[in-house]
Amino acid sequence: EAQVTQNPRYLITVTGKKLTVTCSQNMNHEYMSWYRQDPGLGLRQIYYSMNVEVTDKGDVPEGYKVSRKEKRNFPLILESPSPNQTSLYFCASSLGTPGTGQETQYFGPGTRLLVL
Amino acid sequence: QKEVEQNSGPLSVPEGAIASLNCTYSDRVSQSFFWYRQYSGKSPELIMSIYSNGDKEDGRFTAQLNKASQYVSLLIRDSQPSDSATYLCAVNRFGANNLFFGTGTRLTVIP
Repeated sequence: EAQVTQNPRYLITVTGKKLTVTCSQNMNHEYMSWYRQDPGLGLRQIYYSMNVEVTDKGDVPEGYKVSRKEKRNFPLILESPSPNQTSLYFCASSLGTPGTGQETQYFGPGTRLLVL
Repeated sequence: QKEVEQNSGPLSVPEGAIASLNCTYSDRVSQSFFWYRQYSGKSPELIMSIYSNGDKEDGRFTAQLNKASQYVSLLIRDSQPSDSATYLCAVNRFGANNLFFGTGTRLTVIP
């Protein structure tokens, strides 16, 4: 089954404790992206990747890191989480980059993060 | 000015009616437009994409694009209670490698 998976689905942590949220897709998609969703602010892009070893900042990259060592995986790293990073996080992937006509994004199930 | 703006709603329509959802965008060189549906507690899923001025129909859904007015809309005919969800408008600007999402409009279809 074609899908985007994220782990964990729910996470409660404390300020400053490094964490990683994994994202994996099995559709051989080139483009992957991380979003956070907050009430009243909608979906905001954190980072995106157009291919292996190619990543770039989105709208709200501060406090986050990503890597793309393999095509299927795109982990999101919070080196020192803070309470303002409490949010619902979505990973998404698409066959091509936006603007190519192949930019339909498939979203993972989401990771709900609470930073105390 | 936000890249993409939507009325947050909630928008309530009776079952069987036409629901009209609207979205405006700020950048004239935007080239690709998408409507995603998000049920409460779930992830967004694509309903429609539209690239050219005019209407695009898919079943009960019609997307309308007017680039001169920087306006894209989604019409849902014969609305069903199962259409109750938040609808997100997304826009790709020419030359940009990402999508900009609106904050979404919450639609409730009343049986």
